[in-house]
Amino acid sequence: EAGVTQSPRYAVLQEGQAVSFWCDPISGHDTLYWYQQPRDQGPQLLVYFRDEAVIDNSQLPSDRFSAVRPKGTNSTLKIQSAKQGDTATYLCASSPRTGGAIEQYFGPGTRLTVL
Amino acid sequence: SQWGEENLQALSIQEGEDVTMNCSYKTYTTVVHWYRQDSGRGPALIILIRSNEREKRSGRLRATLDTSSQSSSLSITAAQCEDTAVYFCATDKNTGYQNFYFGKGTSLTVIP
Repeated sequence: EAGVTQSPRYAVLQEGQAVSFWCDPISGHDTLYWYQQPRDQGPQLLVYFRDEAVIDNSQLPSDRFSAVRPKGTNSTLKIQSAKQGDTATYLCASSPRTGGAIEQYFGPGTRLTVL
Repeated sequence: SQWGEENLQALSIQEGEDVTMNCSYKTYTTVVHWYRQDSGRGPALIILIRSNEREKRSGRLRATLDTSSQSSSLSITAAQCEDTAVYFCATDKNTGYQNFYFGKGTSLTVIP
């Protein structure tokens, strides 16, 4: 079974530039998450989807960040006008529908550096 | 924040030693997940413990959960070099919403 895949693996931008991250979850997983992980910190949830619907985007900086999952499979996270404070690793995770405790499967992440 | 304000902790031990990592959480949870993250990779679940389980074992791993003190621990017995990683605890609200809250983690280095 293929794991969660993400691209690109690395990105380096100047402040003010835009960037998009792409995520392909595990087949059959209905829930998809995007996390931001600053250096030496734990992952912080930005947004998550169940199928194509946004369930919680309260931690997504809405003025510059956007995320979509139009067909309930792949997802794109976009940053408009990046800032140095956006420097972090962006992780995508997916999980299957379950009535019990949730296990998330993470991709390798995209390491973003904003100069 | 769901978690206490502890900074990323770093531990360094010799191969063969036992080690325990701790974390605390602020709000009610029914499940604590422990993840490990190897350098350059995403986190991977290694053990989870529910509120009706005071202790959970998996191989050389042992997790405990104390809901009265809102704390959890992860112990590794006879650590090996391949246990070198960052370890995170995480909770979800288990209310039908799947918001996960991760702690800042413990960076463990096992020296041969």
